[in-house]
Amino acid sequence: GENVGLHLPTLSVQEGDNSIINCAYSNSASDYFIWYKQESGKGPQFIIDIRSNMDKRQGQRVTVLLNKTVKHLSLQIAATQPGDSAVYFCAETYMNRDDKIIFGKGTRLHILP
Amino acid sequence: DAGVIQSPRHEVTEMGQEVTLRCKPISGHDYLFWYRQTMMRGLELLIYFNNNVPIDDSGMPEDRFSAKMPNASFSTLKIQPSEPRDSAVYFCASSASGGTTYEQYFGPGTRLTVT
Repeated sequence: GENVGLHLPTLSVQEGDNSIINCAYSNSASDYFIWYKQESGKGPQFIIDIRSNMDKRQGQRVTVLLNKTVKHLSLQIAATQPGDSAVYFCAETYMNRDDKIIFGKGTRLHILP
Repeated sequence: DAGVIQSPRHEVTEMGQEVTLRCKPISGHDYLFWYRQTMMRGLELLIYFNNNVPIDDSGMPEDRFSAKMPNASFSTLKIQPSEPRDSAVYFCASSASGGTTYEQYFGPGTRLTVT
């Protein structure tokens, strides 16, 4: 795939367990955050987003937590499945300025049978 | 909906040759983005357009790279002349303004190898 693990942190999780992927963002002015999932050989795919006026948002099997004090974002995946195996990127932007989204380096999620 | 379409999916070329990558965004989307992904640098934004107009090309590496969007349904990224360090996967993405999210829809990418 495009992201060989040499330069990516890897999280290994047992199938059925919950996964927590962490991300530190860089710009304190960012007010909108997104998580993307990239499977091998494919482009990134939107998972969930959160605005800075919230600290938690839930989707289907996923929850995003935002801690603006320490500029930290996390993605929680409940009951991890083999199909969750991918590289996960957090991304940030400032909505009222422009639409340029800055992507983080990514974390590889590896599912153990 | 066919999603974002990119062509070719794979391109192998020799150093010094011109390379043209193509993208068809999702119909109705008014933003189009070109990204490059490598092991070393991750996912980098090269340039993006709004209503066919280039808004920010600060990510374009150098003058060898150029991008155009002649109409709402087509964009090209050209590298001339190509160099081995340009080898990467190039993604095109599109999005629609006016919604509540900044969700970008990515194409499958073009894997470029310059020998």
